[in-house]
Amino acid sequence: AQTVTQSQPEMSVQEAETVTLSCTYDTSESNYYLFWYKQPPSRQMILVIRQEAYKQQNATENRFSVNFQKAAKSFSLKISDSQLGDTAMYFCAFDGGTSYGKLTFGQGTILTVHP
Amino acid sequence: EAEVAQSPRYKITEKSQAVAFWCDPISGHATLYWYRQILGQGPELLVQFQDESVVDDSQLPKDRFSAERLKGVDSTLKIQPAELGDSAMYLCASSPGPTDTQYFGPGTRLTVL
Repeated sequence: AQTVTQSQPEMSVQEAETVTLSCTYDTSESNYYLFWYKQPPSRQMILVIRQEAYKQQNATENRFSVNFQKAAKSFSLKISDSQLGDTAMYFCAFDGGTSYGKLTFGQGTILTVHP
Repeated sequence: EAEVAQSPRYKITEKSQAVAFWCDPISGHATLYWYRQILGQGPELLVQFQDESVVDDSQLPKDRFSAERLKGVDSTLKIQPAELGDSAMYLCASSPGPTDTQYFGPGTRLTVL
């Protein structure tokens, strides 16, 4: 069974600064997908970024980028130029193996951006 | 922009009562998922549909939970009877296919008294 671990329950950052959220996972699969989802307070979960394991190039989406280290099974999220609207719970998720579609989520990291 | 719709948004019930949640996925999305999210934790998959067929319901407590997607479009998740431990957020998500990105609805927050 796959597991996803987010070791930072809470993080905080000043507006306009950069913050990195950590995620590690455990799997014996070679082909899979990794995701970062954002869940703002009392709002729905939205996709931040997606990475295919077969792609060596790290995914980027505007201010959001990942550092994907397949051998180390690490998938961190870097948020540059943090904005107040980035305040949310961030979840790392894994999808792969014999049951594509079954997302396995980490415990989440609460990120607070301070003005 | 198309979104996943869920209703009700909030539900308060007493234990031993029956409750039902409804989900309308994004048009054209063949795969539909129900997740349960306990406060402060990540979601856990309860059931996955491909069109009208159940693909995975291994984590669904089948003695009290049931899910259906009769016409392969919208879906209903039912709990009967509800227990105190069922208090959680129930999230619905959909995707074009099982390897595509999942889009989540706003969820139904259930409180069992």
